[in-house]
Amino acid sequence: DAKTTQPTSMDCAEGRAANLPCNHSTISGNEYVYWYRQIHSQGPQYIIHGLKNNETNEMASLIITEDRKSSTLILPHATLRDTAVYYCIVRGLAGGTSYGKLTFGQGTILTVHP
Amino acid sequence: DAGVTQSPTHLIKTRGQHVTLRCSPISGHKSVSWYQQVLGQGPQFIFQYYEKEERGRGNFPDRFSARQFPNYSSELNVNALLLGDSALYLCASSFGISYEQYFGPGTRLTVT
Repeated sequence: DAKTTQPTSMDCAEGRAANLPCNHSTISGNEYVYWYRQIHSQGPQYIIHGLKNNETNEMASLIITEDRKSSTLILPHATLRDTAVYYCIVRGLAGGTSYGKLTFGQGTILTVHP
Repeated sequence: DAGVTQSPTHLIKTRGQHVTLRCSPISGHKSVSWYQQVLGQGPQFIFQYYEKEERGRGNFPDRFSARQFPNYSSELNVNALLLGDSALYLCASSFGISYEQYFGPGTRLTVT
C-alpha cells in the first residue's frame, strides 16, 4: 500500500480555513486519496475522496497536486466541532493490493480553538 | 436513515473467553468490514465481506473469524481472548467493495 505522511498536529482558529496536508509520494495511478476524521471515541467519519481532480462536497474540498504526490484537505470555515483526528488514506481500485480495505496511519490531530 | 449499528456498546471479558460482536449495515449496503483500534492508534483492518463471502483479511491470528448473513449483517468472533485484544472494534458498511465505507460507533471490548 502507498504510505501517507501527515503532520502530527495542527491548530486552527474558529471561523478560519483549516488546510490539512498529506504526502503520498508513492501513490500509483490506480489509487484514490480518501479522507476520514474521527472525533474522540466515535467511529471514523467519511469526508471526501478523489483520484486526480479537485473535489468538493458539503463538508470539505480536496486539492490533489498534478503529480498526485500530495494533497490538501480544506475545511473552509472550521468550527469547534471540527476538532478531531484527520486521516489521509490511499486506497486502490479493483485488483490492487490495497483494494477494498482502508489503511489508517496516525493521522493529524486538528484542534480548533475559539 | 439509520446508520451502521453495532452491539453491544461495551463489554468486559476475561482472558481465554470467547466474544461475538454484531453489526448491521446501512440499508442497501452489501459489504461489511471490521477494524480493530487500540488506544492511541488508527484502526487496523481485520476482514471485509461482500455478498456473504470473505473478500479480504488483515494480519490477525486465526482466533479472529467473521461471517456475513443473508441480510448482510455480520458477526465478528474472537476466541481465546488475550489482554491485547482490548480495543474498540469498528464495523463499516459500503455499497460494494470499493465504495466509501461508513463506520458504526464501535464496540469497546475490555479483556481482564
